[in-house]
Amino acid sequence: AQSVTQLGSHVSVSEGALVLLRCNYSSSVPPYLFWYVQYPNQGLQLLLKYTSAATLVKGINGFEAEFKKSETSFHLTKPSAHMSDAAEYFCAVSDGSDRGSTLGRLYFGRGTQLTVWP
Amino acid sequence: DTEVTQTPKHLVMGMTNKKSLKCEQHMGHRAMYWYKQKAKKPPELMFVYSYEKLSINESVPSRFSPECPNSSLLNLHLHALQPEDSALYLCASSPRDRDTDTQYFGPGTRLTVL
Repeated sequence: AQSVTQLGSHVSVSEGALVLLRCNYSSSVPPYLFWYVQYPNQGLQLLLKYTSAATLVKGINGFEAEFKKSETSFHLTKPSAHMSDAAEYFCAVSDGSDRGSTLGRLYFGRGTQLTVWP
Repeated sequence: DTEVTQTPKHLVMGMTNKKSLKCEQHMGHRAMYWYKQKAKKPPELMFVYSYEKLSINESVPSRFSPECPNSSLLNLHLHALQPEDSALYLCASSPRDRDTDTQYFGPGTRLTVL
């Protein structure tokens, strides 16, 4: 079974500071991992994804994430926060790599609200 | 282009009304999804259509009725809803590609049931 734990429902940083959003996963098969961002009253936008290629994945808006199998983690980072980064961030794992699955169901973490202070 | 469109953007309906939500994608994706999202919560899967056939129904009440007229369109028919059904309804699509199967989301329909 697949599941995701996001540590910290709220993270606050100052503009220009490092952003670190934590995500740990549990998967019975090699996982596909995703980070989505959601701005108020909008849908989810794909930030980046890991699909068993490079372990360091670069996404949009300067974000990147590193897949660490030994730690079952996929933490999201950005070197310098911007005010426009304030949003809800969701980590998700897919069962798409499961040979028995035909549907690529997404399992979401509970989300982390990022606040950026000026 | 990774655009999924949803209409309407906002919908207010009474408990006796019948309305429909619409979702469209022109990326050639073969799977489409309906999610319900309450405030400060992750999206909850409701239905999945794969190759235009209903593949998953997550025990959703019958007052929600999905329809997939063709591979580009997905509807959600609403009837006799309850106030607790007020939420953001998100549509997503994915290519059903063996490598990634990434889901792309639309902007959502904000539904309010009075």
